[in-house]
Amino acid sequence: GAGVSQTPSNKVTEKGKYVELRCDPISGHTALYWYRQSLGQGPEFLIYFQGTGAADDSGLPNDRFFAVRPEGSVSTLKIQRTERGDSAVYLCASSLGTVWAGANVLTFGAGSRLTVL
Amino acid sequence: QQQVKQSPQSLIVQKGGISIINCAYENTAFDYFPWYQQFPGKGPALLIAIRPDVSEKKEGRFTISFNKSAKQFSLHIMDSQPGDSATYFCAASVSGNTPLVFGKGTRLSVIA
Repeated sequence: GAGVSQTPSNKVTEKGKYVELRCDPISGHTALYWYRQSLGQGPEFLIYFQGTGAADDSGLPNDRFFAVRPEGSVSTLKIQRTERGDSAVYLCASSLGTVWAGANVLTFGAGSRLTVL
Repeated sequence: QQQVKQSPQSLIVQKGGISIINCAYENTAFDYFPWYQQFPGKGPALLIAIRPDVSEKKEGRFTISFNKSAKQFSLHIMDSQPGDSATYFCAASVSGNTPLVFGKGTRLSVIA
């Protein structure tokens, strides 16, 4: 696609429920990133994939959070036993290669706004 | 521990004026410093980026000034326009090694 697509755009759930957020990166982009943005804050790194494997998951806050990218394209962020503190906008980004080299631009999606009641 | 400290939190500038946003960092290993622009309901978009081997980079009305010894960098928006009203984030990373870390953002309002 032309840009990074994230679904759903909005998700309201109850405390304790399971949630899945989907990211469809730009075609051909091998690197995919998940960030979380709380109100009034900058994006906070969660996890980074290079191809199918999680190259860096150091930002995942706890074991309730998990992400997969089984075929090296679409990724799903999974949150178990949601808590009110999980409420945030979850941003996905992709790039041609690792952005950590500084040479490849991160293109962000519009995000999935998660509200846990 | 906040690795990149951004100020001010909000900024109001008259149309045609200069907007200045500042960032400071502690990690001397950082070697990539981008600025992102975010409009409401959208994801951040790269605006301009700099590496520490230059002290300034200019793209159109946007300029990054970099002070390696002070561990500071700033974004200058010349001839600010109402369409520049957005939230701006500075970020930093160590090439090939660490994720981008973002500042908390500056909400810029350009008024006519």
